Amino acid sequence: GAVVSQHPSRVICKSGTSVKIECRSLDFQATTMFWYRQFPKKSLMLMATSNEGSKATYEQGVEKDKFLINHASLTLSTLTVTSAHPEDSSFYICSAKEDTKETQYFGPGTRLLVL
Amino acid sequence: AQKVTQAQTEISVVEKEDVTLDCVYETRDTTYYLFWYKQPPSGELVFLIRRNSFDEQNEISGRYSWNFQKSTSSFNFTITASQVVDSAVYFCALSERNTGFQKLVFGTGTRLLVSP
Repeated sequence: GAVVSQHPSRVICKSGTSVKIECRSLDFQATTMFWYRQFPKKSLMLMATSNEGSKATYEQGVEKDKFLINHASLTLSTLTVTSAHPEDSSFYICSAKEDTKETQYFGPGTRLLVL
Repeated sequence: AQKVTQAQTEISVVEKEDVTLDCVYETRDTTYYLFWYKQPPSGELVFLIRRNSFDEQNEISGRYSWNFQKSTSSFNFTITASQVVDSAVYFCALSERNTGFQKLVFGTGTRLLVSP
């Protein structure tokens, strides 16, 4: 149980294009989903928290117009990196949590490379 | 403010050795959860254990064991008879009641390399 999928696993795009990453909870309803960013050999940095049906809450320093998050259903959240630039290249990981449960379960991550 | 410290950046051991990964946390909340996650080279974070602040019992799961001591604010993780497949980065994390247990604060991780 508690499986989270992420798609795509790897994406290469040109500078200026937008990239959408999907995060799905496969066997539970995720009232809350989280998006993290991880630089090489570094820890995870929380970007935003999204609750189903409401606007995402962004961490300080994260541009909400740059990183668009949508959590339209209890099993799906999307992160869109708009007008991507090389500095947006990173490993993006989502996690999902059931209401009243305390554990976040993580997806396999998406490696984004912006050329 | 909440904080998780994993002082060991990298540990190298030879297969079958025991290894302990340290985790020290800071929190002002009386109710909190502590976690360990494993991140193998593939990148996915694998949940290993969750412990609440009221349960100081140590736990053993196969070759893994955890020692939670509130007196020293530590939640250490021991792998017995390590194997090459244990090579990964291990993260300790904390969530507090005052954030609705919504926010996970991660340590910087300990990279474990197990050689054959």
